[in-house]
Amino acid sequence: KAGVTQTPRYLIKTRGQQVTLSCSPISGHRSVSWYQQTPGQGLQFLFEYFSETQRNKGNFPGRFSGRQFSNSRSEMNVSTLELGDSALYLCASCSGYQETQYFGPGTRLLVL
Amino acid sequence: AQRVTQPEKLLSVFKGAPVELKCNYSYSGSPELFWYVQYSRQRLQLLLRHISRESIKGFTADLNKGETSFHLKKPFAQEEDSAMYYCARLKKNSNSGYALNFGKGTSLLVTP
Repeated sequence: KAGVTQTPRYLIKTRGQQVTLSCSPISGHRSVSWYQQTPGQGLQFLFEYFSETQRNKGNFPGRFSGRQFSNSRSEMNVSTLELGDSALYLCASCSGYQETQYFGPGTRLLVL
Repeated sequence: AQRVTQPEKLLSVFKGAPVELKCNYSYSGSPELFWYVQYSRQRLQLLLRHISRESIKGFTADLNKGETSFHLKKPFAQEEDSAMYYCARLKKNSNSGYALNFGKGTSLLVTP
């Protein structure tokens, strides 16, 4: 099976802009989670979607949002970008019934 | 809050020496714990899950509920084990939603 894929892999934006990141889960997986990875804070959970519904949400401001489509692909959006949003954004998928999560390669976002 | 603590940021050992990467968690019910590994320029990947009780690449990890620990061990370290290791605990909410709560990670360096 193909692994989790994320697009784009690299992105440069300026403060105040918005960005949309995409994640395609492993075929058959219905749960998609998003994480932010930074040198200072490490890996932090953003949100999880299952069958197009947000099931769980981390402690991030409302500027961070996501959605999931009927084919389980997911997008996350960050509006009004801040310098501190520069990070590696990881997507992970799992079947939704078995808890092992499989990670994508990440999208590296740089906000200038 | 369900905390996961990895007390060592960096661990350096010689090839062939035993290695132990420490992980402690805050007590709350029956934890579901994982070890993930991130090799240089590769994606985060699952190394071990405590309920599977298997050995992967020579690594084992035992859950010690009394000490609230889930240390990762290998009797003879290899140079290819050099990587970043993350201990993580699965959290489930009332919506059956998942989230992995990660430790800050330990960078393992195995020198010849």
